[in-house]
Amino acid sequence: SQTIHQWPATLVQPVGSPLSLECTVEGTSNPNLYWYRQAAGRGLQLLFYSVGIGQISSEVPQNLSASRPQDRQFILSSKKLLLSDSGFYLCAWDTGDNQPQHFGDGTRLSIL
Amino acid sequence: TQLLEQSPQFLSIQEGENLTVYCNSSSVFSSLQWYRQEPGEGPVLLVTVVTGGEVKKLKRLTFQFGDARKDSSLHITAAQPGDTGLYLCAGFRLTNAGGTSYGKLTFGQGTILTVHP
Repeated sequence: SQTIHQWPATLVQPVGSPLSLECTVEGTSNPNLYWYRQAAGRGLQLLFYSVGIGQISSEVPQNLSASRPQDRQFILSSKKLLLSDSGFYLCAWDTGDNQPQHFGDGTRLSIL
Repeated sequence: TQLLEQSPQFLSIQEGENLTVYCNSSSVFSSLQWYRQEPGEGPVLLVTVVTGGEVKKLKRLTFQFGDARKDSSLHITAAQPGDTGLYLCAGFRLTNAGGTSYGKLTFGQGTILTVHP
């Protein structure tokens, strides 16, 4: 069966520090991968999506970047974190073809 | 920009009551998905409705897709404390990027449901 892993689960970082969040999917090949951000108790905002290795598209301008170095690995990064980068970050995958997305358990990022 | 308006934002009810959550848009979606999310976890898919006018039931939960595929509702009968959580609707549209398709989900703002025993 397919599984998705995100880490770390919780992260506290100072303003101006770098960021690297990882997401890996197992049990499927060539998935579409997504990074979302969620404000507390609210809906999800799509940040990046990837349809293949090295292919990244951004939905909104921001202080973050994404990379996909391997087929089932998706990384969310920042060189210098801002206070406004705080939030709950979720990774998701699907196989395309109108199939539902499956979400990881998220990373709670707090910027101090 | 496609928007999905979800209401109410907050719902606090007693065990045994019924409730309805609404999801409305001015845009047509290929399908509409309903998720439930617990604190500190990712959303979990409850149901996908695809056909206009479609009704799906999941135990005490009834999901309906509007005839025009622009709106949807979630009705819970005899709510229980275990139903407490964040409910999210998301409109799905298959989008092509460089010859490859991906599913773009547009989420509503969410409904925080609290069911008191």
